Amino acid sequence: DGGITQSPKYLFRKEGQNVTLSCEQNLNHDAMYWYRQDPGQGLRLIYYSQIVNDFQKGDIAEGYSVSREKKESFPLTVTSAQKNPTAFYLCASSIGDQNTEAFFGQGTRLTVV
Amino acid sequence: GESVGLHLPTLSVQEGDNSIINCAYSNSASDYFIWYKQESGKGPQFIIDIRSNMDKRQGQRVTVLLNKTVKHLSLQIAATQPGDSAVYFCAGASNTGNQFYFGTGTSLTVIP
Repeated sequence: DGGITQSPKYLFRKEGQNVTLSCEQNLNHDAMYWYRQDPGQGLRLIYYSQIVNDFQKGDIAEGYSVSREKKESFPLTVTSAQKNPTAFYLCASSIGDQNTEAFFGQGTRLTVV
Repeated sequence: GESVGLHLPTLSVQEGDNSIINCAYSNSASDYFIWYKQESGKGPQFIIDIRSNMDKRQGQRVTVLLNKTVKHLSLQIAATQPGDSAVYFCAGASNTGNQFYFGTGTSLTVIP
């Protein structure tokens, strides 16, 4: 089945540690995105990538890093510099043309312990 | 900056009634809008979209209306069912590239 897969579903991190969230898609989409969702709030854009080996900061990129070495993969690293990392992280992909919808993964819930 | 927001955070409707969820946007250059449904603990699912050259689009039990004059769009759900209970987001596509800006969301609760 085609789709977008995030792993793990739940992730616990100790303060001061970096963690990497996985996002893989087999939809042959050029564009991929990472969003953060806090309780009672909408989605905020962290990073996005329109094409392999290129990515752009979104509205809340501080404390996060990404890579786009392969078309199908867009991992997100939450670094120790992110002061409030506990949140629900959503990855999405789209064809890359304007006026096409984004498809979302099922999310990773990150909790700092 | 660009922003998309919702008028009401919560909405409760009786099963079988029609639901209307509203959304306002600030960027008049946005030319593509999407409604997503998000169930608890899951990722958003696409419901319906509309381009700025349209003012109405219908799907199965859902209708999206776009009023560009007042920068407002709405999602109408006909004969609301318990399975429709979820958070609904509107999203606007940036005219500068393929970015999406999301509103806060409206939590719809269907009362049996």
